[in-house]
Amino acid sequence: DAGVTQSPTHLIKTRGQQVTLRCSPKSGHDTVSWYQQALGQGPQFIFQYYEEEERQRGNFPDRFSGHQFPNYSSELNVNALLLGDSALYLCASSIRDSYNSPLHFGNGTRLTVT
Amino acid sequence: RKEVEQDPGPFNVPEGATVAFNCTYSNSASQSFFWYRQDCRKEPKLLMSVYSSGNEDGRFTAQLNRASQYISLLIRDSKLSDSATYLCVVGLSGGYNKLIFGAGTRLAVHP
Repeated sequence: DAGVTQSPTHLIKTRGQQVTLRCSPKSGHDTVSWYQQALGQGPQFIFQYYEEEERQRGNFPDRFSGHQFPNYSSELNVNALLLGDSALYLCASSIRDSYNSPLHFGNGTRLTVT
Repeated sequence: RKEVEQDPGPFNVPEGATVAFNCTYSNSASQSFFWYRQDCRKEPKLLMSVYSSGNEDGRFTAQLNRASQYISLLIRDSKLSDSATYLCVVGLSGGYNKLIFGAGTRLAVHP
């Protein structure tokens, strides 16, 4: 039973560039959430996707956008990268109808913006 | 005020010690509560859910006080392998599993 998988593992980009991160949820999960974790901080909620729509959003600018596909996999896109976007980006999946469903995280994508 | 606040770390304890972590949350409508563990440069992993009646899993005991909006985690008989960052996590009302994480408390268990 595959867990949450993310790609790529590491990524180095230059300021102003755009990046796309990918996530496949755990088998049986239909909801994907994205988190940003800066060094020394807890994960910060970016947004969540269910049924191919963004359902909730955290306090992140419109430069952060996403998509969910019919197979429940998801992408996170960040435009016009800033140095401050350097962080570990975590994808987490869960089951929509299980209210107390804990999140299962992928290994993350470590993004460095230079 | 942060939505979820935790004890500032790090906690440095010897093997066998008992250590307690505290956490407060600001949204009284919060519905679900968890403790996650995160090892250095790894993803967070669920340690345990926290229920109103309190719950125990081996050496780990979690407590929830809704009136005070306070969550705790007690680790008994600390092991070297318990060294990690412990994240207090709160789920807001409205379903959809939106979880808010605290900044984490680092625990270092030494021989």
